[in-house]
Amino acid sequence: AQKITQTQPGMFVQEKEAVTLDCTYDTSDQSYGLFWYKQPSSGEMIFLIYQGSYDEQNATEGRYSLNFQKARKSANLVISASQLGDSAMYFCAMREVRSNDYKLSFGAGTTVTVRA
Amino acid sequence: DADVTQTPRNRITKTGKRIMLECSQTKGHDRMYWYRQDPGLGLRLIYYSFDVKDINKGEISDGYSVSRQAQAKFSLSLESAIPNQTALYFCATSDQLNTEAFFGQGTRLTVV
Repeated sequence: AQKITQTQPGMFVQEKEAVTLDCTYDTSDQSYGLFWYKQPSSGEMIFLIYQGSYDEQNATEGRYSLNFQKARKSANLVISASQLGDSAMYFCAMREVRSNDYKLSFGAGTTVTVRA
Repeated sequence: DADVTQTPRNRITKTGKRIMLECSQTKGHDRMYWYRQDPGLGLRLIYYSFDVKDINKGEISDGYSVSRQAQAKFSLSLESAIPNQTALYFCATSDQLNTEAFFGQGTRLTVV
């Protein structure tokens, strides 16, 4: 079964606008971590933000914030004030602790294109 | 210098050839991982290792093998490459807190 679902294959956003990237996850663990990564066209994976399942506040890192809704198993990424350099593919990932192996499970990704 | 270095960055090889992808890290992390990325599938785990004596299969280990030569080095081998192993391969490391995984720059492998 898919553990991470990203339902938006591609999105367009106007420069300076905000964009929300959807991510839902499936786990029976109580302890887990959620990650967002950015992959620009050059291919590298850039860590953006992390949310622990026990964190009561939504994580924020600069223009990135994670809208964590635990009951809905949702971990959406919000990018505020989009810039042209935000054009990239974005991956949501989850780490489950149950098996103590700390593997990351990734979604299929969402491509974001920022328009001037 | 990058914290996680993969070599080569790009490689074209022929079907049936043996190829090794190498990964080294300066983070001092115990945990190392190999992933492959295919369009529309995200990243999938091939193998992972928690220390030099610990090797574990991921979800798509068939056709691959790994070697953890030292804490800082983790190599991935394709014993007999086939075209559907054409993909972007990533090495990653994490510490025990695992609040972030650090990725290498990726190796783009094409099997013809």
